[in-house]
Amino acid sequence: QKEVEQNSGPLSVPEGAIASLNCTYSDRGSQSFFWYRQYSGKSPELIMFIYSNGDKEDGRFTAQLNKASQYVSLLIRDSQPSDSATYLCAVKIVRVGNEKLTFGTGTRLTIIP
Amino acid sequence: EPEVTQTPSHQVTQMGQEVILRCVPISNHLYFYWYRQILGQKVEFLVSFYNNEISEKSEIFDDQFSVERPDGSNFTLKIRSTKLEDSAMYFCASAGRGYEQYFGPGTRLTVT
Repeated sequence: QKEVEQNSGPLSVPEGAIASLNCTYSDRGSQSFFWYRQYSGKSPELIMFIYSNGDKEDGRFTAQLNKASQYVSLLIRDSQPSDSATYLCAVKIVRVGNEKLTFGTGTRLTIIP
Repeated sequence: EPEVTQTPSHQVTQMGQEVILRCVPISNHLYFYWYRQILGQKVEFLVSFYNNEISEKSEIFDDQFSVERPDGSNFTLKIRSTKLEDSAMYFCASAGRGYEQYFGPGTRLTVT
Protein backbone atom coordinates (compact mmCIF):
# COMPACT_ATOMS: atom_id res chain seq x y z
CA GLN A 1 0.00 0.00 0.00
CA LYS A 2 1.37 3.39 -0.99
CA GLU A 3 2.07 5.67 1.96
CA VAL A 4 0.75 8.85 0.35
CA GLU A 5 -1.60 8.67 -2.62
CA GLN A 6 -2.62 11.37 -5.01
CA ASN A 7 -4.46 11.31 -8.31
CA SER A 8 -1.73 12.09 -10.83
CA GLY A 9 -4.10 14.01 -13.09
CA PRO A 10 -3.89 16.00 -15.18
CA LEU A 11 -6.66 18.01 -13.56
CA SER A 12 -8.00 20.76 -15.80
CA VAL A 13 -9.93 23.64 -14.25
CA PRO A 14 -11.26 26.80 -15.94
CA GLU A 15 -9.77 30.08 -14.84
CA GLY A 16 -11.71 31.56 -11.93
CA ALA A 17 -13.11 28.21 -10.78
CA ILE A 18 -12.20 26.20 -7.67
CA ALA A 19 -9.52 23.55 -8.01
CA SER A 20 -9.80 20.64 -5.58
CA LEU A 21 -6.80 18.42 -4.95
CA ASN A 22 -6.93 15.32 -2.80
CA CYS A 23 -4.49 13.17 -0.88
CA THR A 24 -4.84 10.07 1.27
CA TYR A 25 -2.26 8.60 3.60
CA SER A 26 -1.86 5.20 5.16
CA ASP A 27 0.03 5.77 8.42
CA ARG A 28 -2.25 6.81 11.28
CA GLY A 29 0.83 8.17 13.05
CA SER A 30 0.97 10.97 10.49
CA GLN A 31 0.48 14.27 12.28
CA SER A 32 1.69 17.03 10.00
CA PHE A 33 0.52 17.61 6.46
CA PHE A 34 1.98 19.83 3.81
CA TRP A 35 1.14 20.99 0.31
CA TYR A 36 3.95 21.97 -2.00
CA ARG A 37 3.70 23.46 -5.45
CA GLN A 38 6.28 22.41 -8.01
CA TYR A 39 6.66 24.09 -11.36
CA SER A 40 8.32 22.05 -14.08
CA GLY A 41 12.07 21.85 -13.50
CA LYS A 42 11.86 23.73 -10.21
CA SER A 43 11.97 22.80 -6.55
CA PRO A 44 8.97 22.21 -4.26
CA GLU A 45 7.59 25.41 -2.80
CA LEU A 46 5.67 25.19 0.48
CA ILE A 47 2.22 26.73 0.14
CA MET A 48 0.17 25.29 3.02
CA PHE A 49 0.56 23.16 6.11
CA ILE A 50 -2.00 21.85 8.55
CA TYR A 51 -1.67 19.96 11.80
CA SER A 52 -5.18 19.82 13.27
CA ASN A 53 -8.45 18.47 12.00
CA GLY A 54 -10.59 20.96 10.14
CA ASP A 55 -9.82 23.73 7.69
CA LYS A 56 -6.99 26.19 7.40
CA GLU A 57 -7.27 29.14 5.05
CA ASP A 58 -4.53 31.33 3.60
CA GLY A 59 -5.60 33.71 0.88
CA ARG A 60 -6.99 31.71 -2.03
CA PHE A 61 -5.84 28.42 -0.52
CA THR A 62 -7.69 26.21 1.95
CA ALA A 63 -6.29 23.01 3.38
CA GLN A 64 -8.71 20.50 4.87
CA LEU A 65 -7.75 17.62 7.13
CA ASN A 66 -9.80 14.63 8.23
CA LYS A 67 -7.65 12.33 10.35
CA ALA A 68 -10.40 9.75 10.87
CA SER A 69 -10.64 9.28 7.12
CA GLN A 70 -6.87 9.81 6.62
CA TYR A 71 -7.58 12.42 4.02
CA VAL A 72 -6.19 15.86 3.31
CA SER A 73 -7.22 18.21 0.54
CA LEU A 74 -6.26 21.53 -0.96
CA LEU A 75 -8.77 23.93 -2.46
CA ILE A 76 -7.63 26.77 -4.70
CA ARG A 77 -10.26 29.46 -5.19
CA ASP A 78 -10.36 31.83 -8.15
CA SER A 79 -7.83 29.69 -10.02
CA GLN A 80 -5.28 31.58 -12.09
CA PRO A 81 -3.14 30.37 -15.02
CA SER A 82 -0.11 30.83 -12.72
CA ASP A 83 -1.55 28.10 -10.49
CA SER A 84 -0.79 25.58 -13.23
CA ALA A 85 1.80 23.29 -11.64
CA THR A 86 2.19 19.93 -9.94
CA TYR A 87 0.91 19.90 -6.36
CA LEU A 88 2.69 17.60 -3.97
CA CYS A 89 1.13 16.29 -0.79
CA ALA A 90 3.59 15.41 1.97
CA VAL A 91 3.12 13.95 5.43
CA LYS A 92 5.31 13.70 8.46
CA ILE A 93 5.08 11.26 11.32
CA VAL A 94 6.04 13.23 14.38
CA ARG A 95 7.75 11.09 16.96
CA VAL A 96 11.14 12.27 18.14
CA GLY A 97 12.93 15.15 16.55
CA ASN A 98 12.07 16.30 13.10
CA GLU A 99 11.72 13.40 10.71
CA LYS A 100 11.36 13.04 7.01
CA LEU A 101 8.58 14.12 4.72
CA THR A 102 6.93 11.37 2.71
CA PHE A 103 5.65 12.68 -0.60
CA GLY A 104 2.93 11.59 -2.94
CA THR A 105 3.54 11.47 -6.67
CA GLY A 106 1.79 14.80 -7.16
CA THR A 107 -1.25 16.01 -9.07
CA ARG A 108 -0.67 18.00 -12.23
CA LEU A 109 -3.07 20.95 -12.36
CA THR A 110 -3.77 22.94 -15.51
CA ILE A 111 -5.81 26.14 -15.34
CA ILE A 112 -7.50 26.84 -18.66
CA PRO A 113 -7.77 30.56 -19.53
CA GLU B 1 12.99 36.64 2.69
CA PRO B 2 15.58 34.04 3.77
CA GLU B 3 16.00 31.09 1.45
CA VAL B 4 17.97 27.92 1.02
CA THR B 5 20.67 28.11 -1.62
CA GLN B 6 22.42 25.27 -3.45
CA THR B 7 25.47 24.98 -5.66
CA PRO B 8 26.12 24.02 -8.34
CA SER B 9 22.83 24.21 -10.19
CA HIS B 10 23.98 21.51 -12.59
CA GLN B 11 26.78 18.97 -12.15
CA VAL B 12 27.89 16.54 -14.85
CA THR B 13 30.21 13.76 -13.77
CA GLN B 14 31.49 10.45 -15.01
CA MET B 15 30.47 7.19 -13.43
CA GLY B 16 32.74 6.31 -10.53
CA GLN B 17 33.69 9.89 -9.75
CA GLU B 18 33.05 11.63 -6.46
CA VAL B 19 30.73 14.62 -6.29
CA ILE B 20 29.98 17.09 -3.53
CA LEU B 21 26.73 19.00 -3.55
CA ARG B 22 26.57 22.11 -1.44
CA CYS B 23 23.77 23.81 0.42
CA VAL B 24 23.44 26.87 2.62
CA PRO B 25 20.33 26.42 4.79
CA ILE B 26 18.28 29.26 6.20
CA SER B 27 20.47 30.83 8.86
CA ASN B 28 18.50 30.19 12.05
CA HIS B 29 17.28 26.74 11.08
CA LEU B 30 18.28 23.67 13.05
CA TYR B 31 17.22 20.73 10.93
CA PHE B 32 18.70 19.89 7.55
CA TYR B 33 17.67 17.42 4.90
CA TRP B 34 18.59 16.02 1.52
CA TYR B 35 15.98 14.70 -0.88
CA ARG B 36 16.24 13.59 -4.46
CA GLN B 37 13.84 13.42 -7.37
CA ILE B 38 14.53 11.23 -10.34
CA LEU B 39 13.01 12.69 -13.50
CA GLY B 40 9.27 12.01 -13.60
CA GLN B 41 9.22 10.42 -10.16
CA LYS B 42 8.31 11.53 -6.68
CA VAL B 43 10.50 13.35 -4.19
CA GLU B 44 12.36 10.85 -2.01
CA PHE B 45 13.93 11.39 1.39
CA LEU B 46 17.64 10.66 1.72
CA VAL B 47 18.83 11.89 5.09
CA SER B 48 18.10 14.26 7.95
CA PHE B 49 20.71 15.98 10.09
CA TYR B 50 20.36 17.61 13.48
CA ASN B 51 22.79 18.66 16.17
CA ASN B 52 25.76 17.67 14.01
CA GLU B 53 24.68 14.13 13.41
CA ILE B 54 22.44 12.09 11.15
CA SER B 55 19.04 11.67 12.76
CA GLU B 56 17.44 9.51 10.10
CA LYS B 57 18.41 8.03 6.74
CA SER B 58 16.63 6.09 4.06
CA GLU B 59 17.59 2.86 2.33
CA ILE B 60 18.87 4.93 -0.59
CA PHE B 61 21.46 6.56 1.66
CA ASP B 62 24.02 3.76 1.60
CA ASP B 63 27.77 3.78 2.27
CA GLN B 64 28.38 5.75 -0.92
CA PHE B 65 26.64 8.76 0.58
CA SER B 66 27.78 11.02 3.38
CA VAL B 67 26.76 14.39 4.77
CA GLU B 68 28.70 17.02 6.59
CA ARG B 69 28.22 20.41 8.13
CA PRO B 70 31.80 21.63 7.93
CA ASP B 71 31.11 25.09 9.34
CA GLY B 72 28.21 27.11 10.69
CA SER B 73 26.60 27.70 7.33
CA ASN B 74 27.26 24.95 4.78
CA PHE B 75 25.66 21.52 4.54
CA THR B 76 27.11 19.10 2.00
CA LEU B 77 26.15 15.81 0.42
CA LYS B 78 28.97 13.66 -0.93
CA ILE B 79 28.53 10.74 -3.27
CA ARG B 80 31.78 8.76 -3.28
CA SER B 81 31.50 6.75 -6.46
CA THR B 82 28.63 7.87 -8.64
CA LYS B 83 26.45 5.46 -10.58
CA LEU B 84 24.23 6.11 -13.57
CA GLU B 85 21.17 5.69 -11.34
CA ASP B 86 22.33 8.57 -9.14
CA SER B 87 21.28 10.96 -11.88
CA ALA B 88 18.52 13.08 -10.35
CA MET B 89 17.65 16.46 -8.89
CA TYR B 90 19.01 16.76 -5.38
CA PHE B 91 17.21 19.11 -3.06
CA CYS B 92 18.44 20.45 0.24
CA ALA B 93 15.82 21.54 2.77
CA SER B 94 15.93 23.12 6.19
CA ALA B 95 13.49 23.63 9.04
CA GLY B 96 13.35 25.72 12.16
CA ARG B 97 11.62 24.83 15.40
CA GLY B 98 8.39 24.27 13.51
CA TYR B 99 7.88 21.35 11.18
CA GLU B 100 7.87 23.26 7.94
CA GLN B 101 10.67 22.37 5.56
CA TYR B 102 11.84 24.84 2.95
CA PHE B 103 13.55 23.58 -0.14
CA GLY B 104 16.46 24.98 -2.09
CA PRO B 105 16.44 25.29 -5.88
CA GLY B 106 18.17 21.96 -6.35
CA THR B 107 21.24 20.57 -8.08
CA ARG B 108 20.72 18.57 -11.23
CA LEU B 109 23.23 15.72 -11.18
CA THR B 110 23.93 13.97 -14.45
CA VAL B 111 26.12 10.87 -14.34
CA THR B 112 27.49 9.73 -17.70
